Amino acid sequence: DGGITQSPKYLFRKEGQNVTLSCEQNLNHDAMYWYRQDPGQGLRLIYYSQIVNDFQKGDIAEGYSVSREKKESFPLTVTSAQKNPTAFYLCATSNERSNQPQHFGDGTRLSIL
Amino acid sequence: EDQVTQSPEALRLQEGESSSLNCSYTVSGLRGLFWYRQDPGKGPEFLFTLYSAGEEKEKERLKATLTKKESFLHITAPKPEDSATYLCAVRGGGYQKVTFGTGTKLQVIP
Repeated sequence: DGGITQSPKYLFRKEGQNVTLSCEQNLNHDAMYWYRQDPGQGLRLIYYSQIVNDFQKGDIAEGYSVSREKKESFPLTVTSAQKNPTAFYLCATSNERSNQPQHFGDGTRLSIL
Repeated sequence: EDQVTQSPEALRLQEGESSSLNCSYTVSGLRGLFWYRQDPGKGPEFLFTLYSAGEEKEKERLKATLTKKESFLHITAPKPEDSATYLCAVRGGGYQKVTFGTGTKLQVIP
């Protein structure tokens, strides 16, 4: 089944803890993105990657880190430096070469214990 | 800076009552305007891409149109299963970033 898989669906973080959100795709898309969604706000870009071993900061990168070691995977780490991490996190992919729309996974909801 | 404004924030319709959602945008060199549907607790589901003024796309009860300043999502004879939040987004020229609006939450009552 082709698509984008985000895991876990729900995640809880303790104070001072780093947590990692997984995003895997089998669409063979070059570009991958991480967004944060908060009530009443549009999706905000955290990081994006257009090619393996390369990524760029988005609008709200502070307190987050990513890696892109494989085309299929783009994990997001929420570090203890992110003071307000409670949100719905969405991973997206797109085929940049043909300017196609982004397609999204079903998200991970992160809450603070 | 690219901007997207959606209105209304929320819309309540009776089943069968047609209406339109608005997406006003400011972008430097439009490379695409996108409509998505998002159900609670789910990721956005892609609906349409529009690339140039005058373009129209249809899917079942939904029709998207585009002018140089705004896009409309027309919903004809909606059903309760059309209830969702509809998101509009634009991609400008020279940069891969997509800017999203805050969405219109549609509720269709039987």
